[in-house]
Amino acid sequence: GESVGLHLPTLSVQEGDNSIINCAYSNSASDYFIWYKQESGKGPQFIIDIRSNMDKRQGQRVTVLLNKTVKHLSLQIAATQPGDSAVYFCAENSAGNNRKLIWGLGTSLAVNP
Amino acid sequence: GAVVSQHPSRVICKSGTSVKIECRSLDFQATTMFWYRQFPKKSLMLMATSNEGSKATYEQGVEKDKFLINHASLTLSTLTVTSAHPEDSSFYICSTSPREGRSVLETQYFGPGTRLLVL
Repeated sequence: GESVGLHLPTLSVQEGDNSIINCAYSNSASDYFIWYKQESGKGPQFIIDIRSNMDKRQGQRVTVLLNKTVKHLSLQIAATQPGDSAVYFCAENSAGNNRKLIWGLGTSLAVNP
Repeated sequence: GAVVSQHPSRVICKSGTSVKIECRSLDFQATTMFWYRQFPKKSLMLMATSNEGSKATYEQGVEKDKFLINHASLTLSTLTVTSAHPEDSSFYICSTSPREGRSVLETQYFGPGTRLLVL
């Protein structure tokens, strides 16, 4: 399943399916992007990052895609598991921004067993 | 990833009292820490940037006299909510970025958060 992260939507997927979480970022000068996972009552947890000189980066079961032309970022989770249920945030940063992150609004992922 | 701790994890206080929240980087030196506030089902809102040995930089609309930040060492920053009111009830989260040589990495690692409830 897919979602657009311009507000806080909920994406529901079946366990074992692939998930795609989307994010439209705001600053064309941003050169560093991060995906965070936040479980209820906890702080955000780093998942994966990507720099603007790349368009794809893979981690363990996760892939981040960056399309600078349309200022779009996506997080793909392969073989989604119940433990992946959380809110996912994209964040962007740019040189000269004093390392302050600009946060997306988040997408809630619900994995159905 | 880097380990950041916060204490307390949860606090309930009476209106008018002050509450101190600690943020510690456990495995690296942190010259800069960030303090965030988060409301239910909302994104993180940056409150201030805490710099070791100097004054914190507050975001627009955040009262510096209300939210006192002290960053006295390379591993500890504190946020004190002074004269707390019910509207200060929120989830407060700190983050920091590790250093690699002379550079400070851009990736921020977050603490587990502190849930503040003001009655």
